[in-house]
Amino acid sequence: QSVLTQPPSVSGTPGQRVNISCSGSRSIGFNSINWYQQVPGTTPKLLIYNANQRPSGVPDRFSGSQSGTSASLAISGLQSEDEADYYCATWDDSLNGPVFGGGTKLTVL
Amino acid sequence: QITLKESGPTLVKPTQTLTLTCTFSDFSLSASGVGVGWIRQPPGKALEWLALIYWNDDKHYSPSLRSRLTITKDTSKNHVVLTMTNMDPVDTATYYCAHINSRVFDIWGQGTMVTVSS
Repeated sequence: QSVLTQPPSVSGTPGQRVNISCSGSRSIGFNSINWYQQVPGTTPKLLIYNANQRPSGVPDRFSGSQSGTSASLAISGLQSEDEADYYCATWDDSLNGPVFGGGTKLTVL
Repeated sequence: QITLKESGPTLVKPTQTLTLTCTFSDFSLSASGVGVGWIRQPPGKALEWLALIYWNDDKHYSPSLRSRLTITKDTSKNHVVLTMTNMDPVDTATYYCAHINSRVFDIWGQGTMVTVSS
């Protein structure tokens, strides 16, 4: 079973660029990583899908990449409203369902 | 604009069965490729996938909870229902339903908080 590992927390100052990593316990190969943003007290929102695609309305400050067993979410031009929890997820073919990472809390200092 | 909304009890007692309903709009669960899934999130913890159902009635469950979960759909009412038996305080969580598009949970409901306590 795939397990996705994220750092518990990252921080940055306004205007900075931050990266959030997501590491699979085995190759996440053909199954792309998706990223969700959850502002405290709100519902998760799809931020990036298929490793690097942004849904309509998501600013291009958010970008994703994936290579082999690792994926990364980059946020450039950090803003205070970016303070949230970020989750990576991928499809697990053995489950026929998704697996989620443990989440990363982004603090904007 | 696709929307989903979860409904059900906010408080259940240990050993009781929880029944949650996801009511959705602006898509049909009889259209090829469409699915609805359930995810939960205990307070302060990460997201956990529970179950999903597709347009063709194909169903899949989290292995750790499979024995306690049942997911069904009522296409005519635009409902998906999740039942979870033998509730325990550790099942206290916010429960979300979400639309599935090409194996991506792309649109989520607002969530419903369920507390398990005697």
